[in-house]
Amino acid sequence: QVQLQESGPGLVKPSETLSLTCTVSGGSISSSNYYWGWIRQPPGQGLEWIGIFYYTGSTYYNPSLKSRVTISVDTSKNQFSLKLSSVTAADTAVYYCARRPQTVAGSGLDYWGQGTLVTVSS
Amino acid sequence: SYELTQPPSVSVSPGQTASITCSGDKLGEKYAVWYQQKPGQSPVLVIYQDIKRPSGIPERFSGSNSGNTATLTISGTQTMDEADYYCQVWDSNTVVFGGGTKLTVL
Repeated sequence: QVQLQESGPGLVKPSETLSLTCTVSGGSISSSNYYWGWIRQPPGQGLEWIGIFYYTGSTYYNPSLKSRVTISVDTSKNQFSLKLSSVTAADTAVYYCARRPQTVAGSGLDYWGQGTLVTVSS
Repeated sequence: SYELTQPPSVSVSPGQTASITCSGDKLGEKYAVWYQQKPGQSPVLVIYQDIKRPSGIPERFSGSNSGNTATLTISGTQTMDEADYYCQVWDSNTVVFGGGTKLTVL
C-alpha cells in the first residue's frame, strides 16, 4: 500500500520561498507507471493543481504558478519536493502531494498525502 | 485555459438519487474524474475514466460524460455521502479542477 507524507515548515514569511517535501513509501517514484504531483487548497476553497512530474524528468506546471514553482526529485530518498517562491498571503493553503497512474488513460489521482497547512504571515 | 463549472451546492434526501454536474467545452471528448472530500480529510478518488470506480468505492457511485457535461450520480444517497465533490480533467498535460459542489444530505 503506497503512502505519501508531506513535510515542511508550517509558517513562511511573505516574499520568501515555501519548501515542502513528499516522502513516498510502498512504491517507487522512479516507476514508469506513475506521475507524482502537488495540489493545494486554500482554507474554505477548492482544489488547485500546482504541478506534476514523470520519472523521465518531464514536469508540467499550472500556468498561473509556473513562474514561481519548481518540482524536484530525490530518487535516493524516494522523495519529491515543491518550491514556491515569492509567496504572499494568497499562497496560504493545505498542500497535498498525490500520485497518478500513467498506465491508464483518464486516470485520477489515486493516492494522496494527508496534507500540510502552510500559512504565509510575518 | 480550460475551465470546469460545478454548481456550488446540491441537496438530496437520504435514499434518493443525487446528481452533480460538471460542465466544460467539449468535456465529453475528455476523460472526467471525480473526487469526494470530507471536512478535514484528503480527497478520495471515486470515479475515473468517466465511469469507472476504484476498488472500495460503493456501487452507488456512478459517472457519465457526454457533450459538454459530466455527471456524478449517487444512487440511494446515504448521510455518509455528505461531502464536497470535485470534477477534474487532464487538458494538454495540465490538471484542471472544477470549483467543487457541496452535497448536503437532509
